[in-house]
Amino acid sequence: DGGITQSPKYLFRKEGQNVTLSCEQNLNHDAMYWYRQDPGQGLRLIYYSQIVNDFQKGDIAEGYSVSREKKESFPLTVTSAQKNPTAFYLCASSPQGALSNQPQHFGDGTRLSIL
Amino acid sequence: GQSLEQPSEVTAVEGAIVQINCTYQTSGFYGLSWYQQHDGGAPTFLSYNALDGLEETGRFSSFLSRSDSYGYLLLQELQMKDSASYFCAGDASGGSYIPTFGRGTSLIVHP
Repeated sequence: DGGITQSPKYLFRKEGQNVTLSCEQNLNHDAMYWYRQDPGQGLRLIYYSQIVNDFQKGDIAEGYSVSREKKESFPLTVTSAQKNPTAFYLCASSPQGALSNQPQHFGDGTRLSIL
Repeated sequence: GQSLEQPSEVTAVEGAIVQINCTYQTSGFYGLSWYQQHDGGAPTFLSYNALDGLEETGRFSSFLSRSDSYGYLLLQELQMKDSASYFCAGDASGGSYIPTFGRGTSLIVHP
């Protein structure tokens, strides 16, 4: 079955450490997204990518970095510059991204905490 | 930019009908989506309104009025499993369909 796989499910970060969250999809979708969700909050867009080797900053990109070297993969790195990284991180994909109003498909999320 | 307002919590009993409202302020607007998220899980797509009016999908319906900058999700014949958070999301302006999400409404269904 096609879907989006995020790993790990839980992740702990030490002070000053960079950590990378994995997101893989086998839906053959062009666009991929990273969102951050805090308790009682909606989903806030961190980065998105509409095609391979291209990505754009979302509303809260500071302290994060991404890459899109393959269509299937869109890893997110939470850098030490992100001072409040504790949150639930959701990866999503859609067939054509910003070119059409197609629904987004989400992974099961990664919960990141600070040690 | 966009902002979408939803009630933070709605409660109802099994078998009832509940309406979750969403009002938005946006410069440029294409349509309104609704997503369901159970605790700690992945949001799942429920519906999308690109035009004014009612879209029906089984027990769930969604409505949009562009003139009122308002939409709602209607859930009928409520079941316990419908207890979840529901998010409205408006398509961004400037030729992009990347959605902006509201803060979500927690629906609690009682027996």
